[in-house]
Amino acid sequence: SQQGEEDPQALSIQEGENATMNCSYKTSINNLQWYRQNSGRGLVHLILIRSNEREKHSGRLRVTLDTSKKSSSLLITASRAADTASYFCATDWVDTDKLIFGTGTRLQVFP
Amino acid sequence: EAGVVQSPRYKIIEKKQPVAFWCNPISGHNTLYWYRQNLGQGPELLIRYENEEAVDDSQLPKDRFSAERLKGVDSTLKIQPAELGDSAVYLCASSRGLAASTDTQYFGPGTRLTVL
Repeated sequence: SQQGEEDPQALSIQEGENATMNCSYKTSINNLQWYRQNSGRGLVHLILIRSNEREKHSGRLRVTLDTSKKSSSLLITASRAADTASYFCATDWVDTDKLIFGTGTRLQVFP
Repeated sequence: EAGVVQSPRYKIIEKKQPVAFWCNPISGHNTLYWYRQNLGQGPELLIRYENEEAVDDSQLPKDRFSAERLKGVDSTLKIQPAELGDSAVYLCASSRGLAASTDTQYFGPGTRLTVL
């Protein structure tokens, strides 16, 4: 499979807790993106981090990228029930011009 | 602005029947993508259009799948004949037309296809 691997596959937390999900990929990339998919809805772009960046923030989201380990993490702070969704990383591999999506982490936030 | 529109939202057909999906991208977006998403998996690109030209169809099963984007706006994805393994959600996305890897893609709600 061309897809990256995300872990955990599923995560359940209480509102107010932080959620961390990880993405590992196989080859050199230009950038990495995170998307969210709510049940029954399409994917929504959350954040893009370039290969020369190590950390990026957007609201309650914090993304890190370690190109030496070929891995990224997405941290959602102070989670809310509305954050319940599947989260996908998508990588742009060097010498391609397409996004390769991972298998996703299913996050459940309980009120 | 209006988002990406797809129809139908759901489709149930018997195997060997044909099926077609329609997508209307966000106005002004030059690039259009069709993805297939199997249950529990991430989306996989089937085809990408730059205006009316298919610039990447390497993942499209050409024996049974076809797509077109007339006038560089709306697009139709067709399967003929459908097989059981085609059951999936078919997602359409569009973007402004910068490099696919850095251009934010906006996804439609998808068409859930069930082949019996």
